[in-house]
Amino acid sequence: GDSVTQMEGPVTLSEEAFLTINCTYTATGYPSLFWYVQYPGEGLQLLLKATKADDKGSNKGFEATYRKETTSFHLEKGSVQVSDSAVYFCALSSLAGRRALTFGSGTRLQVQP
Amino acid sequence: DTGVSQNPRHKITKRGQNVTFRCDPISEHNRLYWYRQTLGQGPEFLTYFQNEAQLEKSRLLSDRFSAERPKGSFSTLEIQRTEQGDSAMYLCASSLGPGNDEQYFGPGTRLTVT
Repeated sequence: GDSVTQMEGPVTLSEEAFLTINCTYTATGYPSLFWYVQYPGEGLQLLLKATKADDKGSNKGFEATYRKETTSFHLEKGSVQVSDSAVYFCALSSLAGRRALTFGSGTRLQVQP
Repeated sequence: DTGVSQNPRHKITKRGQNVTFRCDPISEHNRLYWYRQTLGQGPEFLTYFQNEAQLEKSRLLSDRFSAERPKGSFSTLEIQRTEQGDSAMYLCASSLGPGNDEQYFGPGTRLTVT
């Protein structure tokens, strides 16, 4: 079945550091890939998505590239801010007839001033 | 606010009681999803609707759980004879439908079973 594996957290960085959160997946067919973010006390928000191989999703300075050959969708940001502190979830939507999202377990990011 | 709304935001109940949660999706969205999230984990899919039709149910959705979406608008999720293991955040999401699979989530209902 479909699955998503994320690096375990917490990830602790200083402000302006480079961020990478690893995400790999197993899926039937060609899934759509997503990153969601959950800020403290708030609901899940869609951060970015990519729907086919080599697509790059980007938003708010975050980027992720759909790598079919390595089944990965790593999240990157060149310079993090304290306000980026949140839990980040990688997810996929399999196109093999299933419309639900399969999520990873989440990675907590803590950015220190 | 035109986002997904859920009520109540918090529910504390005693074991064995029934509870019902409501979700109001974004108005033009045809698909509605229910997920459950426990502490430190990602959301897990429970069920989803295309308009009023319930098209898929997860194995997580035991016989004590039932969901409805009458008239294809709001949805309710009922848990009968609650157990302590039902304690979780219950999330609702909606999407436009075929050709657009971006799901937008509500704030969730936190259930605590004592």
